[in-house]
Amino acid sequence: GAVVSQHPSWVICKSGTSVKIECRSLDFQATTMFWYRQFPKQSLMLMATSNEGSKATYEQGVEKDKFLINHASLTLSTLTVTSAHPEDSSFYICSARVGSGNEQFFGPGTRLTVL
Amino acid sequence: QKEVEQDPGPLSVPEGAIVSLNCTYSNSAFQYFMWYRQYSRKGPELLMYTYSSGNKEDGRFTAQVDKSSKYISLFIRDSQPSDSATYLCAMSVQTGGGNKLTFGTGTQLKVEL
Repeated sequence: GAVVSQHPSWVICKSGTSVKIECRSLDFQATTMFWYRQFPKQSLMLMATSNEGSKATYEQGVEKDKFLINHASLTLSTLTVTSAHPEDSSFYICSARVGSGNEQFFGPGTRLTVL
Repeated sequence: QKEVEQDPGPLSVPEGAIVSLNCTYSNSAFQYFMWYRQYSRKGPELLMYTYSSGNKEDGRFTAQVDKSSKYISLFIRDSQPSDSATYLCAMSVQTGGGNKLTFGTGTQLKVEL
C-alpha cells in the first residue's frame, strides 16, 4: 500500500519551454502532497505543499509563477515548470501524506534536464 | 546552523558489519523522526518512523531516539551489499497543517563484499 507514482521519470527540454510533472497516489487518497527538489549529493528541499482543492503553499524563495502546482483531485497533483532554464535542471520528487499522519510516501522522482 | 545535521559520508563497511548512522538536531519542537533510504536516482523509501525516545526495531534495522540529547540513530545489523544507498533522516513538528519534514543531507553508505 501507499504507492506514489510520478510521470515522466525523466525529461529533457529546451530552454524556455514548459514541463509538466504528474504525481499520483495509486492506492490511497492524499489530501496533501509535497513537491521537493534535490540537487546532486544534496538533501531534499521542500518547494511547496499542495492541498487538494486549494492553492499551494510555497516555501520561501520558490517562485510560485514559475513552479505552478495544481492538486485537482485526491490522487493527482501536477507541477509545471514554466519557461524552464538550465538552472532548473534537477531531480523533482513528490510525496503524499495519508490522512493527517506524519509519514510521507515518496514517488520515484523525475529527472529534468534543461538544455 | 542547520536544523538537522547529518554526516554525508561516504561510509564504507564490509558485508556483515553493524552500521551506525546518526543525526543531530537543534529544534526541540521536533516530535516525529523518520529514516528514509534512497537508492541512486530513485525516490526515498520510508524505513523507520518513531515518535518517542527509545528504541524501535524492525528486522535488521533499529531506530533510536534521544530527545534529551537531540540525537537520533539508525543501526543496521548484518549489513548487505543491497543496503548500499543514501540514508536520510527526517523530522517534523506537529502543526495545524502541513507537517513539513526537515531532512538531513543524507549519509551515503557502501557495503562491500
